[in-house]
Amino acid sequence: KNEVEQSPQNLTAQEGEFITINCSYSVGISALHWLQQHPGGGIVSLFMLSSGKKKHGRLIATINIQEKHSSLHITASHPRDSAVYICAVTLGSSYKLIFGSGTRLLVRP
Amino acid sequence: KAGVTQTPRYLIKTRGQQVTLSCSPISGHRSVSWYQQTPGQGLQFLFEYFSETQRNKGNFPGRFSGRQFSNSRSEMNVSTLELGDSALYLCASSPFSYGYTFGSGTRLTVV
Repeated sequence: KNEVEQSPQNLTAQEGEFITINCSYSVGISALHWLQQHPGGGIVSLFMLSSGKKKHGRLIATINIQEKHSSLHITASHPRDSAVYICAVTLGSSYKLIFGSGTRLLVRP
Repeated sequence: KAGVTQTPRYLIKTRGQQVTLSCSPISGHRSVSWYQQTPGQGLQFLFEYFSETQRNKGNFPGRFSGRQFSNSRSEMNVSTLELGDSALYLCASSPFSYGYTFGSGTRLTVV
C-alpha cells in the first residue's frame, strides 16, 4: 500500500464546476503539500499545510490530522486549471518528501 | 526575484556514460532537494542538502550522488547510466526545508 494515496486518478469537469481532489496518508507527517504540474513538467507549490485550512484565490486546501486526510478544492473551475495535481507529505522530522501518484484534471470549456 | 534554475534543460546520453546536472536555488535558500519523475514510478525523492550537508537520501543506488557548494548551488551526478535512468530530474529550494520552489527540470534521455 502506498504511503500517500490520491483520488481520483483522473477527473474531467465542465468549466464552472466545483472540484475536489482527495489525499490520504498512512505515515506521521510534519507537513502536507499540494503541487500543480502543467504539461512540460514545471511544478508549482500551491499549499503547505500542517493543520486547518488555507485559501488562495479559487483554491482551498484542508487537512484533518486525526483522519490523515486532506482535500484540495477548486471553485468555479476554468480550463486553465487543467493540470496534474500532486499531494506530497514531509515525513516526521526528516526532510524527505513522499508523493502521491497525482490527479490528472481536465476542465472542458 | 530569480527562480530555481536547472541546467541543462535537455540531455541525451549513452548507456554507461555519466552525467552531471546543476541546480541554482533562489538566493538565500539553503536547502536544495532533488527528485526523479518517471511515467512508471512517478515522483521520487533522491536527496536533500542543507548548508553543504546531505540530510536525507532516498532509495536509489549509489550511482546517484550529489553535493552542495558553499553558495548553495547543488549538483547531482549519475554514473554508469542505464536506460531506466531516463527521467525528468527536478530540484527544489527552500529557506527552511518546507515550502518548496521547484525548477523547470532537466529531461534526461539515455539511449
